[in-house]
Amino acid sequence: AQSVTQLGSHVSVSEGALVLLRCNYSSSVPPYLFWYVQYPNQGLQLLLKYTTGATLVKGINGFEAEFKKSETSFHLTKPSAHMSDAAEYFCAVSDEGTGNQFYFGTGTSLTVIP
Amino acid sequence: KAGVTQTPRYLIKTRGQQVTLSCSPISGHRSVSWYQQTPGQGLQFLFEYFSETQRNKGNFPGRFSGRQFSNSRSEMNVSTLELGDSALYLCASSFSGNEQFFGPGTRLTVL
Repeated sequence: AQSVTQLGSHVSVSEGALVLLRCNYSSSVPPYLFWYVQYPNQGLQLLLKYTTGATLVKGINGFEAEFKKSETSFHLTKPSAHMSDAAEYFCAVSDEGTGNQFYFGTGTSLTVIP
Repeated sequence: KAGVTQTPRYLIKTRGQQVTLSCSPISGHRSVSWYQQTPGQGLQFLFEYFSETQRNKGNFPGRFSGRQFSNSRSEMNVSTLELGDSALYLCASSFSGNEQFFGPGTRLTVL
């Protein structure tokens, strides 16, 4: 069965510091991997996705993630945090073997300290 | 293209009542998924509909049901509401299955 583990339910970084949000997945077939962001009282917005091809994926707002098959990881990074990055971040996995059902991690709340 | 819309945005009900939530997917999207989001449980998958058929189902009691119409609009219904059903209910639509687009959610409060 597919599953997603996000290490750290709360992460705090200083403004301008590196953002690193961790995501590990399990999937029996090549996965599709996603990072979503959620601002208070809003739905989820796609940050970036990996389906096939280049393992380093660039997304919106300066975020990127690297698919590492050997480590079953898809960590999200941003070189320099901005106050507006404060939000909840969700990693998700799906694959064709599950009829494209999505499995979400429990989320990581990012706080940016001025 | 217009995004995923959900109505109503906010809802207050009392225990024992039933509620129906509506979701209109992005034009051309045939798959609609529903999620329940709570602070304690995170995002939990309810069910997915594709071309009017339930294709996947999460681990929720039978009080939670859904349907999809021929125009891909979807509704979910919760009967005999319980306090624990208070949550943000999110709908997501998909065209190809490798990306889901989320609506803003319906905030349900059960008193």
